[in-house]
Amino acid sequence: DAGITQSPRHKVTETGTPVTLRCHQTENHRYMYWYRQDPGHGLRLIHYSYGVKDTDKGEVSDGYSVSRSKTEDFLLTLESATSSQTSVYFCAISEYGGSYQPQHFGDGTRLSIL
Amino acid sequence: KQEVTQIPAALSVPEGENLVLNCSFTDSAIYNLQWFRQDPGKGLTSLLLIQSSQREQTSGRLNASLDKSSGRSTLYIAASQPGDSATYLCAVDASNTGKLIFGQGTTLQVKP
Repeated sequence: DAGITQSPRHKVTETGTPVTLRCHQTENHRYMYWYRQDPGHGLRLIHYSYGVKDTDKGEVSDGYSVSRSKTEDFLLTLESATSSQTSVYFCAISEYGGSYQPQHFGDGTRLSIL
Repeated sequence: KQEVTQIPAALSVPEGENLVLNCSFTDSAIYNLQWFRQDPGKGLTSLLLIQSSQREQTSGRLNASLDKSSGRSTLYIAASQPGDSATYLCAVDASNTGKLIFGQGTTLQVKP
């Protein structure tokens, strides 16, 4: 299994508080991704990174920011959490990001915002 | 806008049956299509990746086909087993950067 660790695995917080989720990989892969999974919507891309300090938006990026200061860590921040951001968040990695490489996923973070 | 659809949403079969899961996409300009498996409370596990120039890929009892012109892919599971019970998701990469667009999945139950 690919070495991907997401933390925390579960979190409950209140509306308006900042939240940071961490994805740590031991594979030295260049590409990292954050997705959210919701009933009725499936998985949707939030942000992705194609290298240290290189990030770009995905389909549902509003209300989220990301940072990648080291190859192994990709952080997802909710600046002021809202109830609509209650979801399961998955991190994924890919060695090259192109058409030849499958993505490998972490086990997810279940986030509840009350 | 690329959209990915998987039908049916749920499927229940007796053990030993061969079965086909369907995935369709609206724009044929894709770089690859991937099939994943997701067990309850877990992340996704990559099963098969088909590049746009390929017609099919096989891994053990799994065979995935791709017809870009018609916007369809199928995942064939031979001799199904209870351990195959999971949600199966397909996703397309239309940008060659790994920005995947997912279908909503087919939840498979294989009964002993």
